[in-house]
Amino acid sequence: DTGVSQDPRHKITKRGQNVTFRCDPISEHNRLYWYRQTLGQGPEFLTYFQNEAQLEKSRLLSDRFSAERPKGSFSTLEIQRTEQGDSAMYLCASSRGQGGREQYFGPGTRLTVT
Amino acid sequence: AQSVTQLGSHVSVSEGALVLLRCNYSSSVPPYLFWYVQYPNQGLQLLLKYTTGATLVKGINGFEAEFKKSETSFHLTKPSAHMSDAAEYFCAVSASGAQKLVFGQGTRLTINP
Repeated sequence: DTGVSQDPRHKITKRGQNVTFRCDPISEHNRLYWYRQTLGQGPEFLTYFQNEAQLEKSRLLSDRFSAERPKGSFSTLEIQRTEQGDSAMYLCASSRGQGGREQYFGPGTRLTVT
Repeated sequence: AQSVTQLGSHVSVSEGALVLLRCNYSSSVPPYLFWYVQYPNQGLQLLLKYTTGATLVKGINGFEAEFKKSETSFHLTKPSAHMSDAAEYFCAVSASGAQKLVFGQGTRLTINP
């Protein structure tokens, strides 16, 4: 069990650029989640996958955001035309089994939009 | 819908003193409740969880929490604080059939020597 990994750990980009983050879940976990955390706040749910199917998306996930999990393993989160308000920590988590199972979090990707 | 309120954005205690971090939740269905800890520039680590059964839940690092349905509370306690407990603590709730976690705003715990 190597834990959830995320890449990159830090990303600085200029407003208007596109960015993509990657998450590798714990290998036997079939559920993968994305959250966003701004300074001084708790994480907010963005979206989640069961295997390769995206089953729920938050209203926070505007049309500039897209997430994929093409083969039910790693996932990518892309933000197009970044805005300063997108600056945040993007957290990925994974779990297995039914609802209520604990989610294991990665170290996060900190995005700074200048 | 679920929501979480953590009372006190910042709690400060002396080393060796009791730690009490408060969490109240709202849920229209039986909740699953969690406490996570976050150290600076790191992800979240699960401390403990309540799903069903015993209402007093023991977690890692000497922490425990009690689910009180009548009070809609899930407060986190530790009998004796250690310097290494200084971190941000988050309470979270999910509906029993749902997948997403809904987090409180967090409580920053400071330990005074």
